[in-house]
Amino acid sequence: QKEVEQNSGPLSVPEGAIASLNCTYSDRVSQSFFWYRQYSGKSPELIMSIYSNGDKEDGRFTAQLNKASQYVSLLIRDSQPSDSATYLCAVNKAGGGNKLTFGTGTQLKVEL
Amino acid sequence: DGGITQSPKYLFRKEGQNVTLSCEQNLNHDAMYWYRQDPGQGLRLIYYSQIVNDFQKGDIAEGYSVSREKKESFPLTVTSAQKNPTAFYLCASSAARNTEAFFGQGTRLTVV
Repeated sequence: QKEVEQNSGPLSVPEGAIASLNCTYSDRVSQSFFWYRQYSGKSPELIMSIYSNGDKEDGRFTAQLNKASQYVSLLIRDSQPSDSATYLCAVNKAGGGNKLTFGTGTQLKVEL
Repeated sequence: DGGITQSPKYLFRKEGQNVTLSCEQNLNHDAMYWYRQDPGQGLRLIYYSQIVNDFQKGDIAEGYSVSREKKESFPLTVTSAQKNPTAFYLCASSAARNTEAFFGQGTRLTVV
């Protein structure tokens, strides 16, 4: 079992719709969770971090964490073509030497 | 400007050569990381360092070496022992345990 798993996609949504990206992780002691956006050929850019159960909203983005189910998700409201990118989920374990473990990413395509 | 600077942006290596990738940060971050990304893949951790003069192997350290003589700098050497070095190399840094990491713009290494 991979430490961090994401559906590779592509996930296609129409412009203006809600995009829902999902991530599961295997280690129950994980404490910090991050979503990065990566455009083709570019480096990852941090868009959300979440540390406790529940929802965290920032503009059009909402991160959701459920530690009991070992599940973290990212919702993008009013999706725009500029949101088309690969979204990487990253997890940081307590006592893991502060190393981030990444999923393989989900490719999102927002269609006009 | 505060940030993480990687150089060069593109690097070509001949078979059997060692090459060194530079990573410098002026964010006063304690932790620094090197990741490798292959086409269509997620990020895999090569080495990470939490303090000066200390570093740990990540998941794919074979064929690579690092040093951390200064807080600001964490160079990565790709040795001739790394049999498949062609990839996108990403350097990142973070302030402390369990906090978000920020990336440089990456170095694309190609073996010719």
